[in-house]
Amino acid sequence: QSALTQPASVSGSPGQSITISCTGASTDVGNYNLVSWYQQHPGKAPKVMIYEGSKRPSGVSNRFSGSKSGNTASLTISGLQAEDEADYYCCSYAGSSTLVFGGGTKLTVL
Amino acid sequence: QVQLVQSGAEVKKPGASVKVSCKASGYTFTSYYIHWVRQAPGQGLEWMGIINPSGGSTSYAQKFQGRVTVTRDTSTSTVYMDLSSLRSEDMAVYYCARGGYGDIDYWGQGTLVTVSS
Repeated sequence: QSALTQPASVSGSPGQSITISCTGASTDVGNYNLVSWYQQHPGKAPKVMIYEGSKRPSGVSNRFSGSKSGNTASLTISGLQAEDEADYYCCSYAGSSTLVFGGGTKLTVL
Repeated sequence: QVQLVQSGAEVKKPGASVKVSCKASGYTFTSYYIHWVRQAPGQGLEWMGIINPSGGSTSYAQKFQGRVTVTRDTSTSTVYMDLSSLRSEDMAVYYCARGGYGDIDYWGQGTLVTVSS
């Protein structure tokens, strides 16, 4: 169960779009449509932003979108806002009722 | 509304065990899985294990096999995570979280476990 690979940091200016990648393997990301993305502000519990690869929970802005190609999933945030500055984690089902997280990406809004 | 309320912070000595509780409310307890995820200071999220409250079946990350035990009490809608043989590297915030077998939709507030001699 190796951690999924995410860039350590990404940045963008308000109004711009950014994409965070999440690379796994054929045993997790590539094999299941069960990738989720979580936003975590300092000192707070994570919050789900995307589930099942591309679905948005009620209440999450449509500026957040998810996709997958092969063993790599991606989270795109469009129209960046200051409040989007946070850590983002991807997570994939890895079979046998186990999950694996990515190492996390720090998003800075310039 | 869905709530997962965890027990308070713990301070333990190396080699000891810690038991963290997670009381669920606002939904049918047996209809959703409960995951345990931890986060060491300044580090990322790490998945530890899962329990199906309906039948009590569990699955654990290989890293924690033999050291972690997750149980549930359906009469009180509470899930427990027991981690034994604590070492300094186990110092972290421990979260319980609700979801399906493949994802998480609600998180508890977290429980800080400090391991210090």
